[in-house]
Amino acid sequence: QSVLTQPPSVSGAPGQRVTISCTGSSSNIGAGYDVHWYQQLPGTAPKLLIYGNTNRPSGVPDRFSGSKSGTSASLAITGLQAEDESDYYCQSYDSSLDGWVFGGGTKLTVL
Amino acid sequence: QVQLVESGGGVVQPGRSLRLSCAASGFIFSDYALHWVRQAPGKGLEWVTFISYDGKRQQYADSVKGRFTISRDDSKNALYLQMNSLTTEDTAAYYCVRETKHDNYWPLEYWGQGTLVTVSS
Repeated sequence: QSVLTQPPSVSGAPGQRVTISCTGSSSNIGAGYDVHWYQQLPGTAPKLLIYGNTNRPSGVPDRFSGSKSGTSASLAITGLQAEDESDYYCQSYDSSLDGWVFGGGTKLTVL
Repeated sequence: QVQLVESGGGVVQPGRSLRLSCAASGFIFSDYALHWVRQAPGKGLEWVTFISYDGKRQQYADSVKGRFTISRDDSKNALYLQMNSLTTEDTAAYYCVRETKHDNYWPLEYWGQGTLVTVSS
């Protein structure tokens, strides 16, 4: 049971928009801790996708965007492409656990 | 460029110990905080432990507290994870991860390729 809750899977057709939610609590996202998102392609290490809730590192397409509100955060992907098929993880910090926490991960399938 | 290369994984019996290493290059090692993050086969990411840039502060996930110890040797640009009293629940790929300061944020930007630890009798 992950501290941050993500849907196990989402899907969309090429060109469509999908969102992945990340629900936390008052000791992590709701406490103001930032949310970062990672993309993990099969058999590879995770890659930073979004940092500080809404910011993209250089090289990440602007099709990827992040938002945060209250105790939740979301990752949106527009103009879905086949290469977006991957696992996505949100990450924050939890003051009750005194440590970093990840969501359980969401598998994106491009139909 | 930043490189993190883990080593030391393998098959170990329950109750035994193992020490993982992470060789870093491409940056000033002593300037950065580091983490170990693990991923059990077919499962999600789990944060394991953190060490500050100066080695003075360590934090551990409850699942490993009292069994695992993180350390660093800045003279060797190396990060270590001493794992004791291993159980089958510790079976995972272990990633060495470096924080990066982006604006006022500290995401986990650089990841090694991981080293697989299998705890099995």
